Amino acid sequence: AQSVAQPEDQVNVAEGNPLTVKCTYSVSGNPYLFWYVQYPNRGLQFLLKYITGDNLVKGSYGFEAEFNKSQTSFHLKKPSALVSDSALYFCAVSLLEGRDDKIIFGKGTRLHILP
Amino acid sequence: DSGVTQTPKHLITATGQRVTLRCSPRSGDLSVYWYQQSLDQGLQFLIQYYNGEERAKGNILERFSAQQFPDLHSELNLSSLELGDSALYFCASSVAWTSSGNTIYFGEGSWLTVV
Repeated sequence: AQSVAQPEDQVNVAEGNPLTVKCTYSVSGNPYLFWYVQYPNRGLQFLLKYITGDNLVKGSYGFEAEFNKSQTSFHLKKPSALVSDSALYFCAVSLLEGRDDKIIFGKGTRLHILP
Repeated sequence: DSGVTQTPKHLITATGQRVTLRCSPRSGDLSVYWYQQSLDQGLQFLIQYYNGEERAKGNILERFSAQQFPDLHSELNLSSLELGDSALYFCASSVAWTSSGNTIYFGEGSWLTVV
């Protein structure tokens, strides 16, 4: 069965430092991978996705993610963190296998950017 | 603003009662998804409809049901409510019938509190 794991419940980063939010996945075929962000009392907002092609995907708000097939990872990165990046980040994987077609989300990682 | 509209934003009801949550997808989107977000379970996929027909089913309880109407809006009905049903319920939409590789866009959610 497909699954996605976010090994860190919380990540703390000083403002201006680079940030990484980790995600690993488990699927039996080629994965489609997503990152979403949730600000307090808001819905999830789409950041970026990997479908195929270049392993480095660029998204909204200066975020990017690197697809690594050998390590089955899709870590979210940003070169210089802002306090406004503090939010809950979700990694998700989707795969179409017959009737099994749904997006599975990780538990989420809370990112705290310290001023 | 994702373009997905959910009502009501907040709802407080008693155990044993029934409530209906409403969702209007983005203009042009034919798929509607329902998710439940709770502190202990994370983001759980409940059900997906595409152009009025049930497309995929997740961890939806038998006490819950959903439908998508000809105008593409959707309703999630929650009955015989229990304290554990208190959660944030999200609706999301996408243009395609499959979630694989396609971005889904979330509404702001409906906060349900069962007392």
